[in-house]
Amino acid sequence: AQSVTQLGSHVSVSEGALVLLRCNYSSSVPPYLFWYVQYPNQGLQLLLKYTSAATLVKGINGFEAEFKKSETSFHLTKPSAHMSDAAEYFCAVSLHNQFYFGTGTSLTVIP
Amino acid sequence: SQTIHQWPATLVQPVGSPLSLECTVEGTSNPNLYWYRQAAGRGLQLLFYSVGIGQISSEVPQNLSASRPQDRQFILSSKKLLLSDSGFYLCAWSVAASPFTDTQYFGPGTRLTVL
Repeated sequence: AQSVTQLGSHVSVSEGALVLLRCNYSSSVPPYLFWYVQYPNQGLQLLLKYTSAATLVKGINGFEAEFKKSETSFHLTKPSAHMSDAAEYFCAVSLHNQFYFGTGTSLTVIP
Repeated sequence: SQTIHQWPATLVQPVGSPLSLECTVEGTSNPNLYWYRQAAGRGLQLLFYSVGIGQISSEVPQNLSASRPQDRQFILSSKKLLLSDSGFYLCAWSVAASPFTDTQYFGPGTRLTVL
């Protein structure tokens, strides 16, 4: 069973529109949760992480994510998309002493 | 501050040739080290991880091997490359007491093409 699922392998938004990238995890115990961003031909860069403190986590570049235990979700949002946000985004889960990455969501920003 | 280096950045190798990719970390001691492979259009696959010098754990059976000759050096090798070894190879590090409980920090990656 998948420990982390990212719905939508490709998401397109207009510049200035809301960005919403979805991530759900499979666990009865709240794990540590992460969002990473990957620009073309580069490594992964940490955007933000949840470690059982505040449920709303603010990250770099104006992104934030909200941990919702009842929905087992950790969706990534940004109020207004910028052209420079075009990249691949990965949700990751630290659970049962294992680290699981989602399959990624490619974000396209349309001018 | 901590930095992680990988080289080469790109590599084109013929089938059957050997491989050596290197990863080094600066600014931290006794890190956990990881090798991932990212195939085109797919997620990350953990290949190896290491919690200390000479300690290597393999996650999947494959044509590759890893070594950690020094505290902050992690090497990915192959004696004979296969076409299926093509991909983007990422090295990462973390400092958690357990290797899979906290943030991993990634290097810039090596793009390997096997022809």
